[in-house]
Amino acid sequence: QKEVEQNSGPLSVPEGAIASLNCTYSDRGSQSFFWYRQYSGKSPELIMSIYSNGDKEDGRFTAQLNKASQYVSLLIRDSQPSDSATYLCAVNSGGGADGLTFGKGTHLIIQP
Amino acid sequence: DTGVSQNPRHKITKRGQNVTFRCDPISEHNRLYWYRQTLGQGPEFLTYFQNEAQLEKSRLLSDRFSAERPKGSFSTLEIQRTEQGDSAMYLCASSPAGLAYNEQFFGPGTRLTVL
Repeated sequence: QKEVEQNSGPLSVPEGAIASLNCTYSDRGSQSFFWYRQYSGKSPELIMSIYSNGDKEDGRFTAQLNKASQYVSLLIRDSQPSDSATYLCAVNSGGGADGLTFGKGTHLIIQP
Repeated sequence: DTGVSQNPRHKITKRGQNVTFRCDPISEHNRLYWYRQTLGQGPEFLTYFQNEAQLEKSRLLSDRFSAERPKGSFSTLEIQRTEQGDSAMYLCASSPAGLAYNEQFFGPGTRLTVL
């Protein structure tokens, strides 16, 4: 059974600070990792993808992957109130076109 | 460039009725996925098409559920004899051909309420 674990939160971060979101996965053969942002009542929006160990930066977002520890994280720098949302970690185990396995998401609140 | 579209956006039905949802993927994407999401949970994979071929089905997809993608473009998801437990957001996603890492882009979803 493939599992993706996230702390459900809520995680409260002051505006302008760094928000750190974490995710662990059970399938050691997983090859692709994604972070989605989901606002209440809306569908998930892809914000980051990462495939190799290390860091990947895109604007205020940095994704980090450690396959040995089966751990993925997302850092949001200079957090804004508009970043308040649920962040979903998703894993593609098959290395191809398989369906994604999602965590339950972490609810992030940026306090003005 | 239009994104993934889904219709209807909301559906309210009575238990025992059949419902059908439609998904139109991003035009150049040949992979299409259906997911279901309930409150407080992440999306759960239901099924996947590459062009018109249905290549993978989750154990979640009971006999009452059927999906088609007859011409490799839009897809439909039908639920027969709906049950209250079917109430959820049904999400469609698409992914471009040849992309090794399977980035999936979601539509707005269809929210189903079974009374």
